[in-house]
Amino acid sequence: DGGITQSPKYLFRKEGQNVTLSCEQNLNHDAMYWYRQDPGQGLRLIYYSQIVNDFQKGDIAEGYSVSREKKESFPLTVTSAQKNPTAFYLCASSIQKGANQPQHFGDGTRLSIL
Amino acid sequence: ILNVEQSPQSLHVQEGDSTNFTCSFPSSNFYALHWYRWETAKSPEALFVMTLNGDEKKKGRISATLNTKEGYSYLYIKGSQPEDSATYLCASNTNAGKSTFGDGTTLTVKP
Repeated sequence: DGGITQSPKYLFRKEGQNVTLSCEQNLNHDAMYWYRQDPGQGLRLIYYSQIVNDFQKGDIAEGYSVSREKKESFPLTVTSAQKNPTAFYLCASSIQKGANQPQHFGDGTRLSIL
Repeated sequence: ILNVEQSPQSLHVQEGDSTNFTCSFPSSNFYALHWYRWETAKSPEALFVMTLNGDEKKKGRISATLNTKEGYSYLYIKGSQPEDSATYLCASNTNAGKSTFGDGTTLTVKP
């Protein structure tokens, strides 16, 4: 089945540690996105990538980093500079760049601080 | 940052009621409006993509309209069923493909 796989489903981070959230898609989609959701709020865009080896900051990129070395993969690193990392993280992809392409989402990773 | 607002925040209706909710977005720099349904313990699922002023889309009992001049979209559900219970998200996209989501409307349909 084609889709988006996020792992792990739950992740715990110690203070001062960097952690990396995995996002893999086998839909052959060009564009990929990372969102963060906090309780009672909508999705906020962290980073997005329209093509391999290129990515742009979203609205809340501080404290996060990404890479897009392969079309299928768009890992998100939550660095120690992100002071409030506890949240639900969703990865998405769309068939190509462009405003009228719907996004397909993974099941999410819930990150908590120990 | 584009400011996308959805109202109401939550809605409780009885099975069989029809309902609607609103998504407001800045009309400047608008390119497309997306609606998603997000059921508990599942991933958000795309419902509609609308780009033209006056667009109307329909999928079963769910329909949506778009007014780009005044910057709003309505989502209608006719004859709500318990399986319609979900959070409905809208997102406004720029032509570069960057999405800004609203906070969602959570619909609960009671049998």
